Amino acid sequence: DAKTTQPPSMDCAEGRAANLPCNHSTISGNEYVYWYRQIHSQGPQYIIHGLKNNETNEMASLIITEDRKSSTLILPHATLRDTAVYYCIVRADYNQGGKLIFGQGTELSVKP
Amino acid sequence: GAVVSQHPSWVICKSGTSVKIECRSLDFQATTMFWYRQFPKQSLMLMATSNEGSKATYEQGVEKDKFLINHASLTLSTLTVTSAHPEDSSFYICSAQPLAGTYNEQFFGPGTRLTVL
Repeated sequence: DAKTTQPPSMDCAEGRAANLPCNHSTISGNEYVYWYRQIHSQGPQYIIHGLKNNETNEMASLIITEDRKSSTLILPHATLRDTAVYYCIVRADYNQGGKLIFGQGTELSVKP
Repeated sequence: GAVVSQHPSWVICKSGTSVKIECRSLDFQATTMFWYRQFPKQSLMLMATSNEGSKATYEQGVEKDKFLINHASLTLSTLTVTSAHPEDSSFYICSAQPLAGTYNEQFFGPGTRLTVL
């Protein structure tokens, strides 16, 4: 599976959009981009995933560049409860046996 | 949404004893479950992949005789830490991959904190 690079930490003001970048320059054509987050001492929570088109759900938006070498997770209106470590992971489709390999992630601190 | 539970949520044991951790998918079936370990201030490390009815596949460096994994049904996988030692103290997290054709994402349990004295 391709490796990802994320900034180790970011701050965001409450109510503002949080934009979390991720580089995955070695991504293969059959690999998806997944985002999970982990609030302290809890199991990771699924946020969103995509292949090449931008995606949006009730939690966030995922913007993938046209060359698929990077992506951005957008939390449109960050709240204090969004403070967590955010992981960007690339993996092949499950049917091809893809495992989730976690990197170091970005520690997002939402401040009042 | 899909829910995964773990039991117990925390456990304290004496060095040399064995501890069993259960991982259950509550409202879906999962042919594949995964076990992770997380030390303080570190990321999750994949330990093994468990497929229902077959032997688990362990990641490099993980002792299969120490971390016994059983996946007896489509909703239950267990991790047994045998002859636990203080260095095995960690946060153990499982995840479950729903059957193909349902969800693409894995769902994670809340984790089990193991402390070995």
